Amino acid sequence: DQQVKQNSPSLSVQEGRISILNCDYTNSMFDYFLWYKKYPAEGPTFLISISSIKDKNEDGRFTVFLNKSAKHLSLHIVPSQPGDSAVYFCAATEGGSQGNLIFGKGTKLSVKP
Amino acid sequence: GAGVSQSPRYKVAKRGQDVALRCDPISGHVSLFWYQQALGQGPEFLTYFQNEAQLDKSGLPSDRFFAERPEGSVSTLKIQRTQQEDSAVYLCASSHPTGSVQYFGPGTRLTVT
Repeated sequence: DQQVKQNSPSLSVQEGRISILNCDYTNSMFDYFLWYKKYPAEGPTFLISISSIKDKNEDGRFTVFLNKSAKHLSLHIVPSQPGDSAVYFCAATEGGSQGNLIFGKGTKLSVKP
Repeated sequence: GAGVSQSPRYKVAKRGQDVALRCDPISGHVSLFWYQQALGQGPEFLTYFQNEAQLDKSGLPSDRFFAERPEGSVSTLKIQRTQQEDSAVYLCASSHPTGSVQYFGPGTRLTVT
């Protein structure tokens, strides 16, 4: 059974608008959540993270929101740019620096000019 | 180098052959992880090293898979008697001793024919 779920395989957004990518998890022991961006033929690139003691973390155009009671997190990109087009993976861990990451299947974001 | 490097980037093996995949982590990162990513899926954990010690190998799919990191820096993932189901991208990641963020290499795409 998947512990981290990204239920939308794809998302298309107009340039300049907001992109919202969603992620749900089932394991209440997860204490750290990360978003990675992946371009074809490259490895995942770290984007932003959030600890379970917070409910929001912001870095420039990227904001991650965590709702622990709903076991849900989301990534907001504002404004979206064509260069943001990539596959976005949500990941979670319960072991800090020694914990392996559990990934969702990814959401492919297309930002149209 | 500045990031995690992996070699080779692409490997084609005939079924039954042995392969060895190399990972050079970021300098100073004591934690090293291997993941397997099948087409259309998120990365899945294989094994974890802290320095030269392999602390978790619960994700290795069979005893044909073997990983080592003898001097606590470079790591090698070896797959013996490759099968078609081993075809995937193999990703290596490293992390700082006190951090939860894992930084990924570009991956090795293995195709077993």
